[in-house]
Parts: sequence; structure tokens; C-alpha cells
Amino acid sequence: GEDVEQSLFLSVREGDSSVINCTYTDSSSTYLYWYKQEPGAGLQLLTYIFSNMDMKQDQRLTVLLNKKDKHLSLRIADTQTGDSAIYFCAETPLTGGGNKLTFGTGTQLKVEL
Amino acid sequence: GAVVSQHPSRVICKSGTSVKIECRSLDFQATTMFWYRQFPKQSLMLMATSNEGSKATYEQGVEKDKFLINHASLTLSTLTVTSAHPEDSSFYICSARTQGGGTGELFFGEGSRLTVL
Repeated sequence: GEDVEQSLFLSVREGDSSVINCTYTDSSSTYLYWYKQEPGAGLQLLTYIFSNMDMKQDQRLTVLLNKKDKHLSLRIADTQTGDSAIYFCAETPLTGGGNKLTFGTGTQLKVEL
Repeated sequence: GAVVSQHPSRVICKSGTSVKIECRSLDFQATTMFWYRQFPKQSLMLMATSNEGSKATYEQGVEKDKFLINHASLTLSTLTVTSAHPEDSSFYICSARTQGGGTGELFFGEGSRLTVL
């Protein structure tokens, strides 16, 4: 089945850029997402990218997609303490009508002063 | 934006009892809702797809009789954990799309933390 992997932990200093990486195996992925989960809370959609795009920028967030290597990254510019959370990448396959998301293992981002 | 709400946010129950968790779409109609389970420090795993007016579609390995799903209206889906045991303790999250057919943004509820003693 589909597999999505992420590094488990990332620590950065406030003001620096954070880069969270994700790899996936499903070559039929259509949409790829980044979600943020704060402690004890549900998931918040940060951004998404369609599989025919290489890059998407939304304010402090930049998503890069290397479809050949099946690699997705999320860059957060000027990281703030409020960005501390777990970040999940997720993908939807071509089949299933886009309803089924496969989530990565999540990367815990810790922002230090 | 659209809001999906879950209730209760936390529930503690004794082993052997049943627990019902509600998922509501507050400002839109959702013909399809999704239930996920998240173990500590792990990712979300899709349990089932809840379909309004018909039976839920369960993922492989998820016990239908253990996790009862009822999608009685376009704004409410319920997940009942029957005869709960400590291994059922987990964080349960629902989600819903604002539009059908796989389009529309997917919104997640706040999650419900179940602890079975």
C-alpha cells in the first residue's frame, strides 16, 4: 500500500527557516497536503499542492515537490514559537475520488528562543 | 471557514462500556465524513468512511461491530466504541469535505480523546 514517511523531530531557533521533509511511494498521488496539529487538537490544513506543480508559496510557507524523487518539503520562513507543533504531510491517490488521505508519521517542530 | 466539531473532547470510561462520539459539520452539509484514529506520537489512520443514509465503509483491519458508525443526517456522524477496552484508548478525529465527489477542502474536528480504564 501507500507509504508516507517523515523525520520525527526538528528543532530550530526562532527567526530561522524550518524545512520539513516528506517522502511518499504512491506515484499516482494527485494532491499532497501539509497539516499542522497543536497539542490535543485536530488538524489544520496549512497548504496543499497539486501533483503537476513544482512549487507553491503562501506567505511564510513554501512547498516544493519533486515528483521524480517523490519528495515533498515544507519551508517555514522566519519560524516563530507559535509554529511549534506536529506537521503531517498527506497524499491522496488518483483512485478513490480523492477521499482517502494517507498521512505521514508526523514531524514535531520545536522552536527555541 | 467551514467548521467541524466533535463532542466530547475527552471521555473516560470503564472497560466494557460503550462510548459515543459525535462529529458535526456546523455550517455546511457533509454527505461523507471520515473517522481517523491516532495513537500517541503516531500518524492518523483512516478507520472508516461514513456515508449519509447508507452503511459506512470500513478500512481493512477495522472491526465493524466494534466501531459502529451512524451518519443519520447531513450534518452528523457518530462513532460508537462498543464494549471498550484499554487498547481502544486513543485520539479519534473526524473530518468532512465541504463538497462531494472528492472535491472541496477537508476540515478536521478537534478530536476526541478516549481513555478506557
